[in-house]
Amino acid sequence: NAGVTQTPKFQVLKTGQSMTLQCAQDMNHEYMSWYRQDPGMGLRLIHYSVGAGITDQGEVPNGYNVSRSTTEDFPLRLLSAAPSQTSVYFCASSSPRGNTGELFFGEGSRLTVL
Amino acid sequence: LAKTTQPISMDSYEGQEVNITCSHNNIATNDYITWYQQFPSQGPRFIIQGYKTKVTNEVASLFIPADRKSSTLSLPRVSLSDTAVYYCLVGDWTSGTYKYIFGTGTRLKVLA
Repeated sequence: NAGVTQTPKFQVLKTGQSMTLQCAQDMNHEYMSWYRQDPGMGLRLIHYSVGAGITDQGEVPNGYNVSRSTTEDFPLRLLSAAPSQTSVYFCASSSPRGNTGELFFGEGSRLTVL
Repeated sequence: LAKTTQPISMDSYEGQEVNITCSHNNIATNDYITWYQQFPSQGPRFIIQGYKTKVTNEVASLFIPADRKSSTLSLPRVSLSDTAVYYCLVGDWTSGTYKYIFGTGTRLKVLA
């Protein structure tokens, strides 16, 4: 199993550009989520999904969209990139039992917005 | 929010036992407590998980009192490589579905 796969690992954008960060998991996890982590800070929840077709906002959803058309994929879209969105983005998924809290993380996507 | 509260930072010396306590006053009845370790430029890594009493694995122990409103991660005989940020995590059910919101974590620095 590959686990949680994020692409791209690195990306540089100009202000106003849009892009999609991809996240895929092959563990049949119901729960998937996106976090951002600014330098020296903790992880903040952007959006999450408890199953295909269901998404909800986390702590810092503004400027981001998500969709969950399949169990495996949970892409994060930046609509109009801003320098404040420079961060490392982590995708995480959770076991089918859902509430155990064991999150499996991707390697992260480092985004720089100029 | 079922958010967690931990000390911001701790220092320890190599070979000592380190105990990090986390407060989670609003933990749900059926929720587990999970601890993660994070090194710079990496995603968090699962350390240990428990529901009640004591859990031990090859790297840590987790102590959970009967009321489950707190938990303590115990790292025996730390080394320099244990310098990292440690997070405890419980579910947040306030919106009707569960989600996982991280607290600030504890930045552990192990000194030679």
